[in-house]
Amino acid sequence: ETGVTQTPRHLVMGMTNKKSLKCEQHLGHNAMYWYKQSAKKPLELMFVYNFKEQTENNSVPSRFSPECPNSSHLFLHLHTLQPEDSALYLCASSQPALSLSGANVLTFGAGSRLTVL
Amino acid sequence: DAKTTQPNSMESNEEEPVHLPCNHSTISGTDYIHWYRQLPSQGPEYVIHGLTSNVNNRMASLAIAEDRKSSTLILHRATLRDAAVYYCILALDTGRRALTFGSGTRLQVQP
Repeated sequence: ETGVTQTPRHLVMGMTNKKSLKCEQHLGHNAMYWYKQSAKKPLELMFVYNFKEQTENNSVPSRFSPECPNSSHLFLHLHTLQPEDSALYLCASSQPALSLSGANVLTFGAGSRLTVL
Repeated sequence: DAKTTQPNSMESNEEEPVHLPCNHSTISGTDYIHWYRQLPSQGPEYVIHGLTSNVNNRMASLAIAEDRKSSTLILHRATLRDAAVYYCILALDTGRRALTFGSGTRLQVQP
């Protein structure tokens, strides 16, 4: 248990479904991140939130919609996904990304394994 | 962005030390060197980080070259549980704070 909890751990959805991934942390962190890890590829940063404000969107398609209602919770809403979106989606948190220079340490959740049929 | 270069894979025997190298010849003066590892079916976990001096913690040691163009993660006694992908990452001291992961080194530990 890392302190970052992701649910569900596994999700299978059709291309026309709408689903959401949830991430929760009680580490007192104020920065939260979504990463995508496809098979045989490095982790790709998707979104960064600092104090509930989105500070980075790494050219992610609009079928992925993040939401950060407070510093402890992060969601990734999924809509009309494609089979190539099947991947492990990882949430992470840290101290505010704008306040620590280079020494920020990320704490990751175990990930949500998504399969799009 | 400054990049890191790591071997794709390494093998070690249980109970022996492991030295995982990382080259980062274009590192900037204020970039921190971070190491994370990812065990099978888990998210990455933080191992260690440093700036200029060598660092030790309960998991590993980090040896940083004097010119900072390379570093080595040292696991003093490998266990089967240390089999993982190890990522060497530069934490850029620019406006972008999120860590960028490469392909890492897959470490296999033989009993």
